[in-house]
Amino acid sequence: NAGVTQTPKFRVLKTGQSMTLLCAQDMNHEYMYWYRQDPGMGLRLIHYSVGEGTTAKGEVPDGYNVSRLKKQNFLLGLESAAPSQTSVYFCASSYSVGDGGRETQYFGPGTRLLVL
Amino acid sequence: DAKTTQPTSMDCAEGRAANLPCNHSTISGNEYVYWYRQIHSQGPQYIIHGLKNNETNEMASLIITEDRKSSTLILPHATLRDTAVYYCIVWSGSARQLTFGSGTQLTVLP
Repeated sequence: NAGVTQTPKFRVLKTGQSMTLLCAQDMNHEYMYWYRQDPGMGLRLIHYSVGEGTTAKGEVPDGYNVSRLKKQNFLLGLESAAPSQTSVYFCASSYSVGDGGRETQYFGPGTRLLVL
Repeated sequence: DAKTTQPTSMDCAEGRAANLPCNHSTISGNEYVYWYRQIHSQGPQYIIHGLKNNETNEMASLIITEDRKSSTLILPHATLRDTAVYYCIVWSGSARQLTFGSGTQLTVLP
């Protein structure tokens, strides 16, 4: 199993350009997440999905859109990139066990995005 | 979910046990304690979690105090590859996100 993979690994954008980050998981997990991590800081949740066709906002959703058309894929879109979106983006997936209180998230290797 | 407090940094000699503390004084009865680590900007890696009882797996041990207001992650024989930022997270599932604080930078010294 590849686990969680992210495409691309690195990207440079100009302000105003758009792009889509792809996350794929082969563990048949129901839940998927997009986080961003700025230098010297912890991860912050952008959007998440509890199943195919459903998405919800996290802590910092502004400027991003997401889609979960297939269970194994979770796409993060930037419609008009801004320098403030320069960050490392991590995708994660998980399944919930029984009571919902126990959940392990598995993370991808990250996408480094630089917006000039 | 309850807030956690961790030391900013710690050092440990290679081969010795690394004991990483975490305070979570406002934890409620249905909240779990999770530990993740992040090695040099890689994706975070799950280590261990627990509710009330002490837990052990192939990576580490988790000791939770009886009142559940604090916990300690123990790496029994630290190696240089254990140098990472360690995050202690309290999570109930009512909020979907894991809240990553600043964590503890553990440096294992040769």
